[in-house]
Amino acid sequence: DAGVIQSPRHEVTEMGQEVTLRCKPISGHDYLFWYRQTMMRGLELLIYFNNNVPIDDSGMPEDRFSAKMPNASFSTLKIQPSEPRDSAVYFCASSLTFRLAGGETQYFGPGTRLLVL
Amino acid sequence: AQSVTQLDSQVPVFEEAPVELRCNYSSSVSVYLFWYVQYPNQGLQLLLKYLSGSTLVKGINGFEAEFNKSQTSFHLRKPSVHISDTAEYFCAVSDRGTGKLIFGQGTTLQVKP
Repeated sequence: DAGVIQSPRHEVTEMGQEVTLRCKPISGHDYLFWYRQTMMRGLELLIYFNNNVPIDDSGMPEDRFSAKMPNASFSTLKIQPSEPRDSAVYFCASSLTFRLAGGETQYFGPGTRLLVL
Repeated sequence: AQSVTQLDSQVPVFEEAPVELRCNYSSSVSVYLFWYVQYPNQGLQLLLKYLSGSTLVKGINGFEAEFNKSQTSFHLRKPSVHISDTAEYFCAVSDRGTGKLIFGQGTTLQVKP
């Protein structure tokens, strides 16, 4: 398996522009997570999906952020409008069903490094 | 709310020396515990995890960790490190109800020749 695939790997944009990050989870995984990593706040869970349905979006910072999962093999995280404080590395991760109620391993993609000027 | 504290932000060590990266968690309920490693410009990958059973857990690349319930700790150890172990290490606790991972702030392991 190719693992979790994210695109683009790097994104540089100007403040106010729309940014769309993409993720393809590992085939057969039914959980998908979006994380943000910054020096100040570390790794934060933004939102996660189960079987394409958003389960918990309490980590989404504000209304400028939105995430969708139209099918089992694709998810997007959109920022509109983007701001310099959104600059971070955004990770997507996927896992199998939580048979052990939280014990499943999450598999991370390589991340998208976003810089908003 | 659960939280994870990694007591050292940076740990410099010479090659072939032993190392311990410390992790403490706070939780009033049973948890699952994880260590992930992040190499430069890469995503995180699992080193090891504790779910139940033996408190000494062995992982990849010669790492091991010991779960200590009374001290709410899950310290990571390796008896002899290599240059290639230079990376960021994250301790995480899983919420059994939701499966959400709560990560510590990370420890940078710097292995010097």
